[in-house]
Amino acid sequence: QKEVEQNSGPLSVPEGAIASLNCTYSDRGSQSFFWYRQYSGKSPELIMSIYSNGDKEDGRFTAQLNKASQYVSLLIRDSQPSDSATYLCARQRGTSYGKLTFGQGTILTVHP
Amino acid sequence: DTAVSQTPKYLVTQMGNDKSIKCEQNLGHDTMYWYKQDSKKFLKIMFSYNNKELIINETVPNRFSPKSPDKAHLNLHINSLELGDSAVYFCASSQDLAAGELFFGEGSRLTVL
Repeated sequence: QKEVEQNSGPLSVPEGAIASLNCTYSDRGSQSFFWYRQYSGKSPELIMSIYSNGDKEDGRFTAQLNKASQYVSLLIRDSQPSDSATYLCARQRGTSYGKLTFGQGTILTVHP
Repeated sequence: DTAVSQTPKYLVTQMGNDKSIKCEQNLGHDTMYWYKQDSKKFLKIMFSYNNKELIINETVPNRFSPKSPDKAHLNLHINSLELGDSAVYFCASSQDLAAGELFFGEGSRLTVL
């Protein structure tokens, strides 16, 4: 199993819908999770971070972490065409500072 | 002012050649990275440096030579280029080793013919 695995996608949702992006990881222990967005031809940029179990909301974005089930998700409410991008889940182990491990990314398309 | 800048943006070269990519950050960060993104968009860490000191070398072939002359600069030199080296190479920086927020440069697209 890959260290960090994302649902393969691509994912296509209509404008205004909720987009749900999921990520699973392979081991337990202290770790933090990050969601990056990468537009085509651009560099990744951080949109959310989550460190503890539960939900974290920021505007239209909600990150959810479930350590017992070893998954982290990103919900995008009221999806807009400008949300169309590749979303990368990343994990940093508490014992491996200086190393962010990324999933393979999920391509999201929001169609009008 | 670009926070993390890398040059050149594009490199096209023949197999067996040597090439270098330069990176500079003006954010005052302690930690800098090189990541490789392949054609399937998979982003994989190559090296991380903290205050000029190598922290992570992720089993990268020794044809790849990073060098950090100071904490604001991290360069990457690649010897004897191979077809499989074709990728986008991203430089990034973070406040410190524990920070998960990375600031990426625009990337350098390397094509080896």
